Amino acid sequence: DVVMTQSPLSLPVTLGQPASISCRSSQSLVYSDGSTLLHWFQQRPGQSPRRLIYKVSDRDSGVPDRFSGSGSGTDFTLKISRVEAEDVGIYYCLQGTHWPYTFGQGTKLEIK
Amino acid sequence: ELVESGGGLFQPGGSLKLSCAASGFPFSIYWMHWVRQAPGKGLVWVSRINTDGGFTGYADSVKGRFTISRDNAKNMLYLQMNNLRAEDTAVYYCASFGIDWNGDYWGQGALVTVSS
Repeated sequence: DVVMTQSPLSLPVTLGQPASISCRSSQSLVYSDGSTLLHWFQQRPGQSPRRLIYKVSDRDSGVPDRFSGSGSGTDFTLKISRVEAEDVGIYYCLQGTHWPYTFGQGTKLEIK
Repeated sequence: ELVESGGGLFQPGGSLKLSCAASGFPFSIYWMHWVRQAPGKGLVWVSRINTDGGFTGYADSVKGRFTISRDNAKNMLYLQMNNLRAEDTAVYYCASFGIDWNGDYWGQGALVTVSS
């Protein structure tokens, strides 16, 4: 199985400051059609997961533009330009290129 | 919207069938998935099924014990879970990601507890 490694696992951030989460895969995530199926999810406390970014850098509908995704091959990053209180939760990367799909361990974002 | 049902407390070695009712999107043309989350732990993909039910996939941890199925006429997704183990204890989410990952739909989750 493809191993997804996130860092850091804990991310204390001051309100209004930027935040960055890294996700590395054990294999290339380039799919047979040339797309890269790396996605980012947010799970707020007590809620179901919600996707923020799909295919590396496409923002889902309704997601604030302070969230952005980048990367290629095996190395990916989720950035929050200015953290707000509502961003508290756990962030997961997911690879959908190879079956079984695999999530990263999760990064817990908290406000300092 | 996706709404799971069928969770509860079950004995090791027992069985249950989770259901997921879909509405508000074209269920019959979307692949469907089950994802689980053990208490205090991360997300784990469990199973997937294609649009007509002819193709399914399972995580190794559930292969041979769980069966995913769907009824497109009723907009329903199912997960038959047999030979339950304590490590199957988790919240089970049904999910769909549209065509070519262009959508994002999750249920509220169903808690399955396996304990004697």
